[in-house]
Amino acid sequence: DAKTTQPTSMDCAEGRAANLPCNHSTISGNEYVYWYRQIHSQGPQYIIHGLKNNETNEMASLIITEDRKSSTLILPHATLRDTAVYYCIVHPGGTSYGKLTFGQGTILTVHP
Amino acid sequence: ETGVTQTPRHLVMGMTNKKSLKCEQHLGHNAMYWYKQSAKKPLELMFVYNFKEQTENNSVPSRFSPECPNSSHLFLHLHTLQPEDSALYLCASSQDLGLSYEQYFGPGTRLTVT
Repeated sequence: DAKTTQPTSMDCAEGRAANLPCNHSTISGNEYVYWYRQIHSQGPQYIIHGLKNNETNEMASLIITEDRKSSTLILPHATLRDTAVYYCIVHPGGTSYGKLTFGQGTILTVHP
Repeated sequence: ETGVTQTPRHLVMGMTNKKSLKCEQHLGHNAMYWYKQSAKKPLELMFVYNFKEQTENNSVPSRFSPECPNSSHLFLHLHTLQPEDSALYLCASSQDLGLSYEQYFGPGTRLTVT
């Protein structure tokens, strides 16, 4: 399975863009990049996913490098409610359908 | 609200008790999952069900017994647990098991084994 590397923690000022990086240098061609977040004591929440093109939805944007070895999740205008642990996950294919492997993630703290 | 509900939200049980966790999804999904999240550890996948059939058992001890009577309901039956089994137990569902199907999580059951 492709592994991901994320910074342990990041800070962001309220109203500013939060850019969360993720390295996945061993990603294979059919693997998607998923982002989830988990607000304290709640279940994880799906944010966005992509294969090789940049993606945007109402929550965030996902920028994937051309070689697909890294990606960045962008929260364009961070709010205090965006304080959470953010997980970058590379979804394995083949017989591991549905099997999300969560790492330690990045603790994002949004400050007033 | 994610469309996935879990009951109870909190549970305290002794090591000799038998209890069950319940999960229900209102999304019309075909796949359901149980995860365990211990303090300071990443989420661990426990079981996967697709169309009521178990497709994954991630080496979970037999004191945890899942049951999936239909695609909307998932249970986790607990018996003779250990204190180290205290954790947040999360249920999730997805449309199917395919690569691009995101998972929707419930709020979890906080379990304490005394």
